[in-house]
Amino acid sequence: QVQLQESGPGLVKPSQTLSLTCTVSGDSINSAGSYWTWIRQHPGKGLEWIGYISYNGRIYSNPSLESRITISVDSSKNQISLKLTSVTAADTAIYYCAREFSGYNYSWLDPWGQGTPVTVSS
Amino acid sequence: DIQMTQSPSSLSASIGDRVTITCQASQDIRHYLNWYQQKPGKGPNLLIYDASNLQTGVPSRFSGSGSGTDFTFTISSLQPEDFATYYCQQNDDVPRTFGQGTKLEIK
Repeated sequence: QVQLQESGPGLVKPSQTLSLTCTVSGDSINSAGSYWTWIRQHPGKGLEWIGYISYNGRIYSNPSLESRITISVDSSKNQISLKLTSVTAADTAIYYCAREFSGYNYSWLDPWGQGTPVTVSS
Repeated sequence: DIQMTQSPSSLSASIGDRVTITCQASQDIRHYLNWYQQKPGKGPNLLIYDASNLQTGVPSRFSGSGSGTDFTFTISSLQPEDFATYYCQQNDDVPRTFGQGTKLEIK
């Protein structure tokens, strides 16, 4: 059973860089068809897709955040990382990692981590 | 980006009721539409993939239909554990996008 666990600093100051990690257990991040995805949810709001890194290293970032985002993997630790630069209060959210599993004619986000809350404040 | 318009944004219903949520895409997304359930303090949980396929382990009272731009999600007989927020999501193109969510509350 695949499980994902996000971790992060909780509180970040404006203009700083947010660094988050997602640790995957129960499967390799190099498993074919896996696209390791970051999603965030602003307080009391809906879901915003941030981007993904695929099992073979392909990266796609949401154009709305692309200039500030870096998504990477550490295969030795089976972890995915997200870095978001120049944060503002608008980046305050719960950040989730999830696996998008893609096959020939389908894909879905499952499972999801429990999320890690991030507050941007001085 | 593909815009997903979900309605209603909130819904009050009673145990045993049949409820329906709709999701409309701004362009043809074929059958690439998933439905998720989110409970407070938890990450979303996949219920339906490819518009109409029930994820393993999900009760059969949940169902989905549609293709192209118009999709429907139905709970045939509400159970106490179904009160949650539901989201549609398109996976036809990147960036992936979600509907605004439907909060299902007890009447």
